[in-house]
Amino acid sequence: AQSVAQPEDQVNVAEGNPLTVKCTYSVSGNPYLFWYVQYPNRGLQFLLKYITGDNLVKGSYGFEAEFNKSQTSFHLKKPSALVSDSALYFCAVRGHGQNFVFGPGTRLSVLP
Amino acid sequence: SAVISQKPSRDICQRGTSLTIQCQVDSQVTMMFWYRQQPGQSLTLIATANQGSEATYESGFVIDKFPISRPNLTFSTLTVSNMSPEDSSIYLCSLLSRDRYGYTFGSGTRLTVV
Repeated sequence: AQSVAQPEDQVNVAEGNPLTVKCTYSVSGNPYLFWYVQYPNRGLQFLLKYITGDNLVKGSYGFEAEFNKSQTSFHLKKPSALVSDSALYFCAVRGHGQNFVFGPGTRLSVLP
Repeated sequence: SAVISQKPSRDICQRGTSLTIQCQVDSQVTMMFWYRQQPGQSLTLIATANQGSEATYESGFVIDKFPISRPNLTFSTLTVSNMSPEDSSIYLCSLLSRDRYGYTFGSGTRLTVV
């Protein structure tokens, strides 16, 4: 069965510092991996995805993520955090022909 | 990518009543998905709605509680019936994005049952 883990409920980072939000997954076969962001009182917005190809994918708002097959990870990163990045971040995985499975979410707080 | 208009954005309802949530898409889509996000939790798939057939419900969700309509390829509704405080959640509709890999989400409906 598919599963996604986000080991940190909360990540705090100072503005201007790099940020990492961790995600590990379990899926049979090759995964499709996604990051979504949810701002307060809003729906989910797509940030980036890994389908195939280059392990480093770049997405919206300066975010990037690296697919690591051996570690079954897909950590979200940004070189320099902004206060406006404060939100709830969800990692999701989808196996071929299967539904999405979302992680529990990580709340990112960027402190000014 | 397709744009989804979801409404209402929020509502406060009395227990025992029902609320219908609507999602309108600006293009034709075959499948739409309905999710629930309980307070402080992740998203859980309620059902998949195909046009012209009954929705397929996930384990733990039943049609009597969450009836879904899909009258055409651009519209779907989810009704939360006979509500209790435990139904207080954010409900989101979604569809496969144009590349068929990811999802596009509506803005969500924040439901509070009192």
